[in-house]
Amino acid sequence: EADIYQTPRYLVIGTGKKITLECSQTMGHDKMYWYQQDPGMELHLIHYSYGVNSTEKGDLSSESTVSRIRTEHFPLTLESARPSHTSQYLCASTQGYEQYFGPGTRLTVT
Amino acid sequence: GQQLNQSPQSMFIQEGEDVSMNCTSSSIFNTWLWYKQDPGEGPVLLIALYKAGELTSNGRLTAQFGITRKDSFLNISASIPSDVGIYFCAGPGTGRRALTFGSGTRLQVQP
Repeated sequence: EADIYQTPRYLVIGTGKKITLECSQTMGHDKMYWYQQDPGMELHLIHYSYGVNSTEKGDLSSESTVSRIRTEHFPLTLESARPSHTSQYLCASTQGYEQYFGPGTRLTVT
Repeated sequence: GQQLNQSPQSMFIQEGEDVSMNCTSSSIFNTWLWYKQDPGEGPVLLIALYKAGELTSNGRLTAQFGITRKDSFLNISASIPSDVGIYFCAGPGTGRRALTFGSGTRLQVQP
């Protein structure tokens, strides 16, 4: 059983605000990922990390940034949120190929 | 890059019916994974397959790793309303990425 947490679960903010979406896992996994997903649609990889101080951009271009200072923590930051950032953001970590997801953050930018 | 074609895109069935969905890859995979996503939640891993021809069950769910290693199948027997959700297949990604995901099969079950 995987333990991966995301906060907040829901967030409604105004345009131009800076936000940070939190993701933590307690399994000691080195590899972590951020996906963006519109309701009912496919998952798009936006960032990934293979360990501390390692971050790379994914397939979908994103204005967000990530950091990996500790193994268990992989936060995602939007410096200036826009309505086009409205989406669900899913964090995941991997044991081998088996990827475990957090519950997601539903972001709405007004 | 690798592509996964998942079908059908959606299904609407009656409670008690069996369901089948499949996923095909443009390249050979050594791993197939099946996930289920409930509305507003993250995907949950249902079954992982690691060997061509492997048939693995998880309750009413059965998944198979195709013998060609380019496809996989998921079957749900005697569907119930809580089976509603989106089912995603996944396989190894390109380069250093962990997984490539299919586009999902949306399942609706009529009580």
